Amino acid sequence: AQSVSQHNHHVILSEAASLELGCNYSYGGTVNLFWYVQYPGQHLQLLLKYFSGDPLVKGIKGFEAEFIKSKFSFNLRKPSVQWSDTAEYFCAVNAGSGGYQKVTFGTGTKLQVIP
Amino acid sequence: EAGVAQSPRYKIIEKRQSVAFWCNPISGHATLYWYQQILGQGPKLLIQFQNNGVVDDSQLPKDRFSAERLKGVDSTLKIQPAKLEDSAVYLCASTPSGTGHLYEQYFGPGTRLTVT
Repeated sequence: AQSVSQHNHHVILSEAASLELGCNYSYGGTVNLFWYVQYPGQHLQLLLKYFSGDPLVKGIKGFEAEFIKSKFSFNLRKPSVQWSDTAEYFCAVNAGSGGYQKVTFGTGTKLQVIP
Repeated sequence: EAGVAQSPRYKIIEKRQSVAFWCNPISGHATLYWYQQILGQGPKLLIQFQNNGVVDDSQLPKDRFSAERLKGVDSTLKIQPAKLEDSAVYLCASTPSGTGHLYEQYFGPGTRLTVT
């Protein structure tokens, strides 16, 4: 069965600091990868996604993520965080075989940005 | 474009009572998902529908949980009887195609259930 690990449960950064949130998955086949974000009081929404092609993907609000197949990783990065980036971030993997693919979410990382 | 609608937003019930949640996906979205998100955890898929058929309900506790999507549009999730461990946020999401892996999921606001 596929699984997703997010090792950082709670991250506290000062504004302008750089961010990297780890995401590792376990599945040997083709995967589609996502990062979702949940701002306080709002719905889960897509931040970025990887399906194929360039392993470095860019999302909204200056976020990017790099798919490293050999490391089964899809880490999220942002060079300089803002207070408005305070939110919970979820990594998700969509994988499977045949006609059905299943989405599995990680446990999430709470990011707190201090002004 | 209207988003995914869910109701109620909050529900408090006693254990052994029944509860139902409603979800209306984005118009035209064929695939609908119900997730359970327990505090401190990521969303866990309970059931996935494609139109009005069940694609995956392997993680649905079928002795107490049931879900339906009779006309391939809105959906209800029911718990009967509820247990304390069912306290969670129940999320509904939808995607525009049966091949859900090609698209990101659009989530509703969720229903926060507290079982006392």
